[in-house]
Amino acid sequence: GENVEQHPSTLSVQEGDSAVIKCTYSDSASNYFPWYKQELGKRPQLIIDIRSNVGEKKDQRIAVTLNKTAKHFSLHITETQPEDSAVYFCAASDSNYQLIWGAGTKLIIKP
Amino acid sequence: DAGITQSPRYKITETGRQVTLMCHQTWSHSYMFWYRQDLGHGLRLIYYSAAADITDKGEVPDGYVVSRSKTENFPLTLESATRSQTSVYFCASSHRVGTDTQYFGPGTRLTVL
Repeated sequence: GENVEQHPSTLSVQEGDSAVIKCTYSDSASNYFPWYKQELGKRPQLIIDIRSNVGEKKDQRIAVTLNKTAKHFSLHITETQPEDSAVYFCAASDSNYQLIWGAGTKLIIKP
Repeated sequence: DAGITQSPRYKITETGRQVTLMCHQTWSHSYMFWYRQDLGHGLRLIYYSAAADITDKGEVPDGYVVSRSKTENFPLTLESATRSQTSVYFCASSHRVGTDTQYFGPGTRLTVL
């Protein structure tokens, strides 16, 4: 079945710098890759997603890239701000069209 | 996100007791999900439902039971709670399939003593 690995588990960056979080997946049939953000004590919320027919997608300061050959996808956050501090989860679809989740990355923005 | 609610928000119970966590959504979404969230494991799917009276196992279903008699409700029951079931439980829903945007409830923090 599908397995998703996410790195790093913790990422600390200076405010204004960029942050990159990477995920790898095992099932070459996966075709949907969302990223969710979870602020402390809150529920996860979708921030961006990408499907397998697209290589890159951007939404203001966030972007996701997908490399199907290497089976990895990444979240890029530019010009980081304090409100970007949160745990970020990647996920990949499995053969039942359900999501398999990465373990999460805690992003810390240093002032 | 007020359209999906969970109750109770916090629950303390003892080993061996039966516990039911409630989930209610007002969007008439077809799909509903139950996840558990534990440190270092991210979100793990317990059960999901494609429609009323249709449920299926996820990654970690052992020890849990679900039902879905109405589209808007998807209760999760721990038949005999164990300490390993101490976790934060999230209910979620999506419009059509699991690969649509999933909208999460606020979560239930369950402690089994």
